[in-house]
Amino acid sequence: DSGVTQTPKHLITATGQRVTLRCSPRSGDLSVYWYQQSLDQGLQFLIQYYNGEERAKGNILERFSAQQFPDLHSELNLSSLELGDSALYFCASSLDAYYGYTFGSGTRLTVV
Amino acid sequence: AQKITQTQPGMFVQEKEAVTLDCTYDTSDPSYGLFWYKQPSSGEMIFLIYQGSYDQQNATEGRYSLNFQKARKSANLVISASQLGDSAMYFCAMREPDSNYQLIWGAGTKLIIKP
Repeated sequence: DSGVTQTPKHLITATGQRVTLRCSPRSGDLSVYWYQQSLDQGLQFLIQYYNGEERAKGNILERFSAQQFPDLHSELNLSSLELGDSALYFCASSLDAYYGYTFGSGTRLTVV
Repeated sequence: AQKITQTQPGMFVQEKEAVTLDCTYDTSDPSYGLFWYKQPSSGEMIFLIYQGSYDQQNATEGRYSLNFQKARKSANLVISASQLGDSAMYFCAMREPDSNYQLIWGAGTKLIIKP
């Protein structure tokens, strides 16, 4: 157990729908990062939050949004889902990224 | 220009042999960190090893070691005595101040260990 909790582990939904992915960071970590990994691809950085505020934005679609709550857990909202959004979505956390991230086990999203 | 380059998309290695996975990086900042992560077929991302740019010695963690050649901007991962369970994707990543301490990722190398 890495200490970063992601729920759900698997999600199957239809095109056009909206889903919410949840992440609880490791205790003491202030930063949360969201990544998307499509099949056999590398990691695409989506967005980073630090202590409740957005810190950096990557290739995140306008249909996607995220937030970090006062208790530091984070949610990634994906709306108007398309088949191409099927991917593994990772959350990672760190205190300050100096020594890297700790990853959650990911949410595997399948859009049908 | 690519900041992290992993030139080997895939590798096959015989069990018990040593493996070297290549990673070259590009940065002008003197302070940076290099990481290797393993992603088995189950999907989770597992931290393996870290090397700081000012570290005098190459990092080691059990069967993993990092062959850090600063002048060549190379940070190759060496796995000694490979095991079937080492079959996975391996990602090299770099942290630098210019990127606001984001990790910059390579494309990964798929390692398959043959029995």
